[in-house]
Amino acid sequence: AQTVTQSQPEMSVQEAETVTLSCTYDTSESDYYLFWYKQPPSRQMILVIRQEAYKQQNATENRFSVNFQKAAKSFSLKISDSQLGDAAMYFCAYCYTGNQFYFGTGTSLTVIP
Amino acid sequence: GAGVSQSPSNKVTEKGKDVELRCDPISGHTALYWYRQSLGQGLEFLIYFQGNSAPDKSGLPSDRFSAERTGGSVSTLTIQRTQQEDSAVYLCASSLGQALRETQYFGPGTRLLVL
Repeated sequence: AQTVTQSQPEMSVQEAETVTLSCTYDTSESDYYLFWYKQPPSRQMILVIRQEAYKQQNATENRFSVNFQKAAKSFSLKISDSQLGDAAMYFCAYCYTGNQFYFGTGTSLTVIP
Repeated sequence: GAGVSQSPSNKVTEKGKDVELRCDPISGHTALYWYRQSLGQGLEFLIYFQGNSAPDKSGLPSDRFSAERTGGSVSTLTIQRTQQEDSAVYLCASSLGQALRETQYFGPGTRLLVL
């Protein structure tokens, strides 16, 4: 069974600092995709970053980057130069078929001015 | 262009009543997903539509839940004989194709409260 675990229910970071959100997953598949989504108080989920498992290079999108460790089944999100607008719930997700997405329980990120 | 819209934004109903939740995907998006987000939980996959293919209903929690997508566009999620445990936010998302390589765009959700 595919499961996604986010062990940090809450995190906080000082504005302009760097924070890392953790995610681990369990799968027997070799080719799959991993995602980080952001959900601000407006509830509208937004894709932050996507990683294809067969690509060894870690994905990067501006201030957001991932540390993908396939053997360890770990997929952490690093947010650099944190901004007040980064405050939100962050969800890690896994998918291999394009049909079913499996989401973690989320990490609530607070950005301290 | 308009994003994914959902209606109503909030719905309060009494236990045992039926409810219908509507999702208008982005025009041209062939893939449509429904998720349920319970308090303090992640998103739970419910159902997936892709073009004219048979939907993947494997995530529907019981036979009280059903969904349809008319004309490959608007989708309706119906919950019959609602129970208190059905209280949650129901999110809809659409993408150009399967959301592995295509970005899923989410709607704002419908918050359902069953009294």
